[in-house]
Amino acid sequence: DGGITQSPKYLFRKEGQNVTLSCEQNLNHDAMYWYRQDPGQGLRLIYYSQIVNDFQKGDIAEGYSVSREKKESFPLTVTSAQKNPTAFYLCASSLGQAPYEQYFGPGTRLTVT
Amino acid sequence: QQQVKQSPQSLIVQKGGISIINCAYENTAFDYFPWYQQFPGKGPALLIAIRPDVSEKKEGRFTISFNKSAKQFSLHIMDSQPGDSATYFCAASAMNYGGSQGNLIFGKGTKLSVKP
Repeated sequence: DGGITQSPKYLFRKEGQNVTLSCEQNLNHDAMYWYRQDPGQGLRLIYYSQIVNDFQKGDIAEGYSVSREKKESFPLTVTSAQKNPTAFYLCASSLGQAPYEQYFGPGTRLTVT
Repeated sequence: QQQVKQSPQSLIVQKGGISIINCAYENTAFDYFPWYQQFPGKGPALLIAIRPDVSEKKEGRFTISFNKSAKQFSLHIMDSQPGDSATYFCAASAMNYGGSQGNLIFGKGTKLSVKP
């Protein structure tokens, strides 16, 4: 089955701890994205990568970091510098930028207390 | 200028009725307008998309209407069904520009409930 996997589905952390969210795709897509979704806020772009070993900041990159060492993997680290980390995080991939369809993973709900 | 404004925030429609969700934008460079559907606890999935060279696109019960002069586009769901109950997001990108402008800008979403 081709698709995007995100793990874990639910993640709980204490304030002050860094946490890494996993995103893997087997669609052979070049581009990968991380979005944050908050109630009533839509999807906001955190980071994106159009090719291996390269990534760019999105609209809300502060407090987050990423790496793209392999085509199929794009992990997101939520650092202790992120002021409001509790959210639903979505990873997506596409063959390239628009108009190529973005395929989304099932998401990870992160709760920081 | 990068925003996409979506309305209404929530919508309740009776089964068999027409659901209409509207989006407006300012950036005239936007040239690709997709709609995504998201069920609770799942990631969004592409429903239908349009480019500004056409004023309407229909796929089954779903239709996008596009008004370039007004910088507005809307999603119409005909014969709405309870299974259509989900959150719908409009989006836009300036695909011909590439770079950061080629990324999707999403509206804030509309939660649709279709009552049986």
